[in-house]
Amino acid sequence: GQNIDQPTEMTATEGAIVQINCTYQTSGFNGLFWYQQHAGEAPTFLSYNVLDGLEEKGRFSSFLSRSKGYSYLLLKELQMKDSASYLCAVRNTDKLIFGTGTRLQVFP
Amino acid sequence: GAGVSQSPSNKVTEKGKDVELRCDPISGHTALYWYRQSLGQGLEFLIYFQGNSAPDKSGLPSDRFSAERTGGSVSTLTIQRTQQEDSAVYLCASSFGTTYGYTFGSGTRLTVV
Repeated sequence: GQNIDQPTEMTATEGAIVQINCTYQTSGFNGLFWYQQHAGEAPTFLSYNVLDGLEEKGRFSSFLSRSKGYSYLLLKELQMKDSASYLCAVRNTDKLIFGTGTRLQVFP
Repeated sequence: GAGVSQSPSNKVTEKGKDVELRCDPISGHTALYWYRQSLGQGLEFLIYFQGNSAPDKSGLPSDRFSAERTGGSVSTLTIQRTQQEDSAVYLCASSFGTTYGYTFGSGTRLTVV
């Protein structure tokens, strides 16, 4: 079966660092994606990991451990505009399987 | 086009009516995907196309749902005899192929009353 777990909601303060975890159990694995989705808008691509380790892109970093079925998205120097849902997705051969998403609220 | 275009952006329909949702992918993208997002839920896979073929229809909830793609471009998702539980945002995405990330459209918000 396919199972992708993320916390439902998180809160953080402007300027802080937040880590959003994702664990997965899927019948196949060909990479893990993180998407950002603001309310009422389309998801937009943030990061992609296919090998173990950390990928850094500006304020955002994503980590993958395939042996543990675990990933996290790290957001640094949080800004109010980072308030959004963050979706973890695993590529299973030919399509992405999404978790339910983590709704992040950033407070001043 | 520059992005993935979906129409209509909003659709309100009466229970029992048929609806058609349209997706126009990015030019040159061979793979096209349909997902459904209900309030507070994650993205639920419906169907994907590689060219005009649909290798995986496993996510279609019932035989009231169907989709087609013509000319390797535009796709239409049809829901027959709509039910209230069909109310959701229907998202389309496209990519260069099944090994690439997706670009999503803005979605069609379907409300069945």
